Amino acid sequence: NAGVTQTPKFQVLKTGQSMTLQCAQDMNHEYMSWYRQDPGMGLRLIHYSVGAGITDQGEVPNGYNVSRSTTEDFPLRLLSAAPSQTSVYFCASSYSTSGYSYEQYFGPGTRLTVT
Amino acid sequence: AQKVTQAQTEISVVEKEDVTLDCVYETRDTTYYLFWYKQPPSGELVFLIRRNSFDEQNEISGRYSWNFQKSTSSFNFTITASQVVDSAVYFCALSKGAAGNKLTFGGGTRVLVKP
Repeated sequence: NAGVTQTPKFQVLKTGQSMTLQCAQDMNHEYMSWYRQDPGMGLRLIHYSVGAGITDQGEVPNGYNVSRSTTEDFPLRLLSAAPSQTSVYFCASSYSTSGYSYEQYFGPGTRLTVT
Repeated sequence: AQKVTQAQTEISVVEKEDVTLDCVYETRDTTYYLFWYKQPPSGELVFLIRRNSFDEQNEISGRYSWNFQKSTSSFNFTITASQVVDSAVYFCALSKGAAGNKLTFGGGTRVLVKP
């Protein structure tokens, strides 16, 4: 298993540009999430999904869109990049059985700079 | 609203010393999960432990141990006989309800182990 993969690893955008951060997992996990990590801070939840076709907002959703058309993929779209979106973005997946939740598996992260 | 507080921003120790990381959480949920993750200088997030709100049994795993006390809303983590490879940022995280895919992270504690 490759686990959780993210592309690209690094990206530089100009203010106002749009782009999509890709995330894929091959573990058949039902749950997927996007977080951002700003310097010296913990991770904050942007959007999450509990299954294909179902997404919801997290703590800091403004400026981002997500969709989940398949179990495997959960792309994050930046609609119009702003310098405040400069951050490291982590995708994660997890699953539950019989009401018991397991830990999230994180991808390696995408370092995004908006100039 | 949920909140996780890691009051120690940075701890510096000499190799072989013990180090305890504090984590205090706030939640209104009766069912929740607590996690510890390690982020080494390479940047990935490594899962260390998961605890659910009904299991207050403390745990020891090798040089790591955890102390979960619901009465004080704390989930502290101790590294015994620290090693240079333990140098990293450690995050405490709290899930919302029974789903482990919506985590609230603390700000992290940077541990520096000097040889």
